[in-house]
Amino acid sequence: EAGVVQSPRYKIIEKKQPVAFWCNPISGHNTLYWYRQNLGQGPELLIRYENEEAVDDSQLPKDRFSAERLKGVDSTLKIQPAELGDSAVYLCASKRAIGADTQYFGPGTRLTVL
Amino acid sequence: GQQLNQSPQSMFIQEGEDVSMNCTSSSIFNTWLWYKQDPGEGPVLLIALYKAGELTSNGRLTAQFGITRKDSFLNISASIPSDVGIYFCAGGGSQGNLIFGKGTKLSVKP
Repeated sequence: EAGVVQSPRYKIIEKKQPVAFWCNPISGHNTLYWYRQNLGQGPELLIRYENEEAVDDSQLPKDRFSAERLKGVDSTLKIQPAELGDSAVYLCASKRAIGADTQYFGPGTRLTVL
Repeated sequence: GQQLNQSPQSMFIQEGEDVSMNCTSSSIFNTWLWYKQDPGEGPVLLIALYKAGELTSNGRLTAQFGITRKDSFLNISASIPSDVGIYFCAGGGSQGNLIFGKGTKLSVKP
């Protein structure tokens, strides 16, 4: 079974530029998460999708961050414009269904904002 | 955001030693999960605990879900060099979201 796929693995941009991250979850996994992981910290949830519906986006900074999962499979997370403090690893995770707690993570995208 | 209290923050091991780390919270969780993260990779699930008091093993790893549902520990027996990395605990609530600790970094003694 293929794991969670994320791209790109690394991204370096200048502040005020836009950036987008892509995630393809494990086949059949209805629930998809985006996390941000700052250096020396654990992952922190940004948004959770059940199929194509964003059911928890309370931690997503909506002034500059947006996400979509149009067909309930792949997802894109966008930052526009990026700020210096957005430098972090952005992780995508998926799990099978509501009620199952085992989340599987992708390798992450390491973002550096200069 | 909310994070769990995970300790120790870091530890050095010699091959063959046993290792213990724990996680505490002021909140009750329905599940406790333990992940390991290697540099440049995402967290990989080690053990999942679903019931208060549950003790589960995965090879040399043993974890327990505290009876109060507010804590968990992870033990690694007879450590080997590939055990180095960062270990995260995560508590799962009724909504299916996970709250993570700050991690315990395991390194090899020089």
